[in-house]
Amino acid sequence: KAGVTQTPRYLIKTRGQQVTLSCSPISGHRSVSWYQQTPGQGLQFLFEYFSETQRNKGNFPGRFSGRQFSNSRSEMNVSTLELGDSALYLCASSNSRVNTEAFFGQGTRLTVV
Amino acid sequence: AQSVTQLDSQVPVFEEAPVELRCNYSSSVSVYLFWYVQYPNQGLQLLLKYLSGSTLVKGINGFEAEFNKSQTSFHLRKPSVHISDTAEYFCAVSEGDSSYKLIFGSGTRLLVRP
Repeated sequence: KAGVTQTPRYLIKTRGQQVTLSCSPISGHRSVSWYQQTPGQGLQFLFEYFSETQRNKGNFPGRFSGRQFSNSRSEMNVSTLELGDSALYLCASSNSRVNTEAFFGQGTRLTVV
Repeated sequence: AQSVTQLDSQVPVFEEAPVELRCNYSSSVSVYLFWYVQYPNQGLQLLLKYLSGSTLVKGINGFEAEFNKSQTSFHLRKPSVHISDTAEYFCAVSEGDSSYKLIFGSGTRLLVRP
């Protein structure tokens, strides 16, 4: 069974640009969550989707958005990139309505220059 | 509001020695507790979880943790570590049935020396 797949693995963008990251959950999983990991702030929750609906949202500015498609694949978008957006972005999927076990992808390393 | 505290940012230990990584949490509701491990340039891998029932939970790679409700702790232990256990370890909590959101601690780097 394939794990959570995140693409691309590495990305370099310029300040002011926008970026879209993709996450394919484990087959059959309907919940997808996104986290940002930085050395200064650690792991922070961005948002979570279940069956194409955003159920939870973290404390991030509106430049951070996401969506989930009918096949449970999810994308997150960051507009008007800032240097501080440089981070490892992790996606996690789960097959339950409540969080009893989340499976994480390898992440997308975003560098903003 | 929930929070997770991992007091030790780094724990150095010799190979084959026992180790304990500490985790304390605060929450006003019942919680689920997790320990994850992260190797360099990798995502997070679940080591073990506490949902309910027995307070001693066993996980992968010989790790175990004990849930102590009165002390709001969920410390991770391994009786004998290997070089390959060198990694970053994260404790996390979620609010049981009402939330999918994971709150993570700041992480503890376990450094196993030969």
